[in-house]
Amino acid sequence: EIVLTQSPDFQSVTPKEKVTITCRASQSIGSSLHWYQQKPDQSPKLLIKYASQSFSGVPSRFSGSGSGTDFTLTINSLEAEDAATYYCHQSSDLPFTFGPGTKVDIK
Amino acid sequence: EVQLVQSGAEVKKPGESLRISCKGSGYTFVSSWIYWVRQMPGKGLEWMGRIDPRGSYSNYSPSFQGHVTISADRSISTAYLQWSSLKASDTAIYYCARLVSGTLDVWGQGTTVTVSS
Repeated sequence: EIVLTQSPDFQSVTPKEKVTITCRASQSIGSSLHWYQQKPDQSPKLLIKYASQSFSGVPSRFSGSGSGTDFTLTINSLEAEDAATYYCHQSSDLPFTFGPGTKVDIK
Repeated sequence: EVQLVQSGAEVKKPGESLRISCKGSGYTFVSSWIYWVRQMPGKGLEWMGRIDPRGSYSNYSPSFQGHVTISADRSISTAYLQWSSLKASDTAIYYCARLVSGTLDVWGQGTTVTVSS
């Protein structure tokens, strides 16, 4: 099973600040890495697919990069509505696993 | 509009059986796999398994194999997740999601399952 680790676990950020979340896979997954946002009491939503492709309707301040085992989600100029938990997810090999999540809180 | 609408919250006792549902609309149901994801209270997302509604072929995470059954009825565009004997540790929110090009692009609203004596 491919294990995904995320860092940091938690981040408290001021509005307009830049946020960087990393996801590391236990083995190479090419670019089969996706990012989801889950706000409190809501279902997860797809943000970034295949490491760097923005999903339809996602604000341009969200971007992704990486390949192989190391990936990054960047939120440029954080807004208050971005308070959420962010998960990475791999679809390279079964079972398709999720990272443990990174909670982003607004100061 | 593409939607996955899940059945309502359930409260059950340990040992009882349960089936929850996920109905697709706004797209050709058989064209996409359906995933089931568990979220225990205050915890992260766990992939449970998936089903191809065309032929009801399914895969399970080893963590859930043998404890749940995933099925689908393509005639009514509905996927199911069922338990034959619930445990308190099954208390969680369960999400279905649609797989398109390797990504989960549409999610259901979640079904809360509470198992308590």
